[in-house]
Amino acid sequence: DIQMTQSPSSLSASVGDRVTITCRTSQSISTYVNWYRHQPGKPPNLLIYSGSNLQSGVPSRFSGSGSGTHFTLTISSLQPEDFATYYCQQSYSSPWTFGQGTKVEIK
Amino acid sequence: QVQLVESGGDLVKPGGSLRLSCTASGFNFSDYYMSWLRQAPGKGLEWLAYIRTPGTTIYYADSVKGRFTVSRDNANNSLFLQMDDLRVEDTAVYYCARQARDFDYWGRGTLVTVSS
Repeated sequence: DIQMTQSPSSLSASVGDRVTITCRTSQSISTYVNWYRHQPGKPPNLLIYSGSNLQSGVPSRFSGSGSGTHFTLTISSLQPEDFATYYCQQSYSSPWTFGQGTKVEIK
Repeated sequence: QVQLVESGGDLVKPGGSLRLSCTASGFNFSDYYMSWLRQAPGKGLEWLAYIRTPGTTIYYADSVKGRFTVSRDNANNSLFLQMDDLRVEDTAVYYCARQARDFDYWGRGTLVTVSS
């Protein structure tokens, strides 16, 4: 199974801050990584697919990069609705696995 | 618009069974692969089961293999998860999701609680 390791596990930030979350995989998977935002009481929301592609309807403050084993999600200017938990997920092979999550909290 | 609605969650005793349903609308259900995922209390997201259309290819996570069975009814735009031999650690919110290269649409989830 492909292991996904996210860092940090949590962070505190303020509205307007730039935030970067990292995901490392246990083997090289090209750009087969997706990113989700999960707000409490709501279903997860796809933000970025295939490493760097912005899902339709997702604000442009979200961006993704990386390939191989190292990936990043960047939020350029944090908004109130972005205080949530973020997950990376590999779509390279079954079983499809997620990182453990990064909780973004209000400073 | 795309909608996925799960149902069937309940309180069940260890060793018991439950059948979850997911009703899809707003897209051509028979064209898409589907998955079940879950989130246990205080834990992250876990993929459980995947089914292609028309249902001839199925994958399971090791944690549920042999206990859970995924199926679909394309005529009624429905996805199912039969859960047998339930354990306390199966307590979670269960989601169905449309799967392309990613999980692009999710339902709001249904809560399954396994407790004596």
